[in-house]
Amino acid sequence: DAKTTQPPSMDCAEGRAANLPCNHSTISGNEYVYWYRQIHSQGPQYIIHGLKNNETNEMASLIITEDRKSSTLILPHATLRDTAVYYCIVRVSRSGGGADGLTFGKGTHLIIQP
Amino acid sequence: DAGITQSPRYKITETGRQVTLMCHQTWSHSYMFWYRQDLGHGLRLIYYSAAADITDKGEVPDGYVVSRSKTENFPLTLESATRSQTSVYFCASRDRLGSYEQYFGPGTRLTVT
Repeated sequence: DAKTTQPPSMDCAEGRAANLPCNHSTISGNEYVYWYRQIHSQGPQYIIHGLKNNETNEMASLIITEDRKSSTLILPHATLRDTAVYYCIVRVSRSGGGADGLTFGKGTHLIIQP
Repeated sequence: DAGITQSPRYKITETGRQVTLMCHQTWSHSYMFWYRQDLGHGLRLIYYSAAADITDKGEVPDGYVVSRSKTENFPLTLESATRSQTSVYFCASRDRLGSYEQYFGPGTRLTVT
């Protein structure tokens, strides 16, 4: 699986958009980009994933560059409850197979300021 | 309750004791996983299971035993607990035909004295 690089920490004002970058310059063609977050003392929570097109769901948007070497997770209107560690993970998605788990790096500690 | 649950949520035990951490999911997901989380290491995979009676080692399996007789349960046993196994343990599951969208339990904080 490709390695990812994320800033260790970021601040964002409440109500503003939080943009979390992830570099995955060695990503291969069949690898997806996944984002998870972990709020303090809780289990990780899936946010979103994508292959090459931009994706949006009720939680966030994922913007993947055309060369797929980097991506940005966008929380459009950050709230205090979005304070968490955000993990960017690159992984081959093998539908119907592949039971091995996810590899979590150190992630980005996002702090939402009131 | 629907979802994935872990018990106990907190456990203190002594070195050398056997401890079993329970994990139960209600989605009938094929895949289940055990991770441990320590400061400075992030989450590390201990064991995983693709279906009932099918288990395999992850990154850090030494000192742990798992079983999966029923799809919904995936207990993790520390046969002889050591202080180095003091950690927060997370169970997770995912659907066979899905992507790597894993659902995590709330965790068990284990302290070995």
